[in-house]
Amino acid sequence: SQQGEEDPQALSIQEGENATMNCSYKTSINNLQWYRQNSGRGLVHLILIRSNEREKHSGRLRVTLDTSKKSSSLLITASRAADTASYFCATDAWVNYGGSQGNLIFGKGTKLSVKP
Amino acid sequence: DAGVIQSPRHEVTEMGQEVTLRCKPISGHNSLFWYRQTMMRGLELLIYFNNNVPIDDSGMPEDRFSAKMPNASFSTLKIQPSEPRDSAVYFCASSLTENQPQHFGDGTRLSIL
Repeated sequence: SQQGEEDPQALSIQEGENATMNCSYKTSINNLQWYRQNSGRGLVHLILIRSNEREKHSGRLRVTLDTSKKSSSLLITASRAADTASYFCATDAWVNYGGSQGNLIFGKGTKLSVKP
Repeated sequence: DAGVIQSPRHEVTEMGQEVTLRCKPISGHNSLFWYRQTMMRGLELLIYFNNNVPIDDSGMPEDRFSAKMPNASFSTLKIQPSEPRDSAVYFCASSLTENQPQHFGDGTRLSIL
């Protein structure tokens, strides 16, 4: 089953507006990562936030993490047409006996469209 | 620096044929991952290696799929015999160690007729 699920599935905004995408997950995590995928390309890592962090910034990106609600959000400020892509959250795979496996589990993504 | 390199970029073949996908990870990365992406199922992990050793292959659909990593700079994913339902984009990714940011190749778009 999916560990992370993004919301909304699709988002369409005008250039200059802010875009907010959310991610919910089910089990304990060590870290949560956000990735971007442009059409026809591989995923590109954007930002990693650890379970003991609440907020992290990178350029126009702001990520928050609420471990009590098992959720994260990605905010892109002052969006540009070039931000048009799918955005995925990924969490480490937590196993029942405790501890994390070495792989990530990806959600199905939010498709962001930024209109010029 | 060169990123993760996958070949071929596109493959079209007939059902029943053997398909081999190739991946060269980033030099120095110890973990390598094979994924399959479809509209219906999203991004699925097939198998991952750590230090050339397969760690988790529970995502490999069936015995028709096999993966090898003979050395730190090369991995293959083989499908034999291929079926139309194997049509998807297959990605290879590598990371410095487990649970670290992954670097993806641009994928192989596979079509089985």
